[in-house]
Amino acid sequence: KNEVEQSPQNLTAQEGEFITINCSYSVGISALHWLQQHPGGGIVSLFMLSSGKKKHGRLIATINIQEKHSSLHITASHPRDSAVYICAFGNEKLTFGTGTRLTIIP
Amino acid sequence: DGGITQSPKYLFRKEGQNVTLSCEQNLNHDAMYWYRQDPGQGLRLIYYSQIVNDFQKGDIAEGYSVSREKKESFPLTVTSAQKNPTAFYLCVSSWTFYSNQPQHFGDGTRLSIL
Repeated sequence: KNEVEQSPQNLTAQEGEFITINCSYSVGISALHWLQQHPGGGIVSLFMLSSGKKKHGRLIATINIQEKHSSLHITASHPRDSAVYICAFGNEKLTFGTGTRLTIIP
Repeated sequence: DGGITQSPKYLFRKEGQNVTLSCEQNLNHDAMYWYRQDPGQGLRLIYYSQIVNDFQKGDIAEGYSVSREKKESFPLTVTSAQKNPTAFYLCVSSWTFYSNQPQHFGDGTRLSIL
């Protein structure tokens, strides 16, 4: 049983395009995290949210608790945004998605 | 600057050998975690510790052991009983053991079998 589904698994886009990555989960949660993993493997936490919307620079994260769905948007995408984006959710322990590999072509 | 330090970045293990992965944090966090990442899979929890001198098995603890003798340190030993140890290992910390806490990640250790 997959408790979390991320889509798409892979996404290639041109520089400047608006990017949307989706995350759907199957159980009630207290928080959802969006993470960024660079090719070297290090992971950076982008957002933690439990309701509504958060924005940081060109990144926007939204969550709909009733629909058990979250999206990560990137405006004016840039090649340096190329990475794997992972959503994770839970109440105590976190459950991690398998990630969306984003490639931005100059 | 506060953060989590994992070492080494790359580690090679011979058959039948135990190896220990280091994780140190200076964030004064109570909770620390070890995750394993395999290609095409989400991170899976190996062990976690909510407070010093206490730790609990995660979802895939077989073949691994940990200790938490100091608040800032949570080393992971991959024993010879772990039959498929080749993976990327991540150490994570947070203020407390609840998912509604910001999670701080180390840079990871990539373990390979010789």
